[in-house]
Amino acid sequence: DIQMTQSPSTLSASVGDRVTITCRASQSISSWLAWYQQKPGKAPKLLIYKASILESGVPSRFSGSGSGTEFTLTISSLQPDDFATYYCQHHNSFSYTFGQGTKVEVK
Amino acid sequence: QVQLVESGGAVVQPGGSLILSCSASRFSFSNYDMHWVRQAPGKGLEWVAFIRYDGSNKDYADSVRGRFIISRDNSKNTLYLLMNSLRTEDTAVYYCVKDGGSIAATGYYFDYWGQGTLVTVSS
Repeated sequence: DIQMTQSPSTLSASVGDRVTITCRASQSISSWLAWYQQKPGKAPKLLIYKASILESGVPSRFSGSGSGTEFTLTISSLQPDDFATYYCQHHNSFSYTFGQGTKVEVK
Repeated sequence: QVQLVESGGAVVQPGGSLILSCSASRFSFSNYDMHWVRQAPGKGLEWVAFIRYDGSNKDYADSVRGRFIISRDNSKNTLYLLMNSLRTEDTAVYYCVKDGGSIAATGYYFDYWGQGTLVTVSS
């Protein structure tokens, strides 16, 4: 099975900061990667799929990049609404493995 | 806006059974693949089960295969998850989730989520 590893597990940042979260796959997954945002007590929200395609309605400060085994989610200028936990997910051919999550907290 | 509303969560004893339902609205339910995804308290996300738009194909996580059954009734716009032989490690919030793909191809990612229903397995 393909394993997905996110880093860091926790990230402390301030409003306006540029934030980058990394997701690594244990083997190449081409561009089959999605990113989700989850706030406490709420369901996750899709941000990006196929590594870099922004879901409709998601602010343009979110972007995704990468292919193969290394991927990044970037928030260009962190906003108060962005403090949350972020998950990556391999999505292809009956593979749905999630990363363990990255919590973005107030510095 | 797509709406997914789960119900059926409860406290159940180990070895017991439970059925979850998910009522879908504001989209063509019969044209989309669906999933169940769960999240144990304070933990990450775990995909549980998948069903093709017409029910022709199903798949399960190894942790639930042989115990859980996913099904759907397109005439009622409803998704189900029958959970048998429940274990304490099945305790989680269960989310009904719409696949991001189409009839032509499963996307294997999740574009709309319900609010979740809590299943607690405890004696």
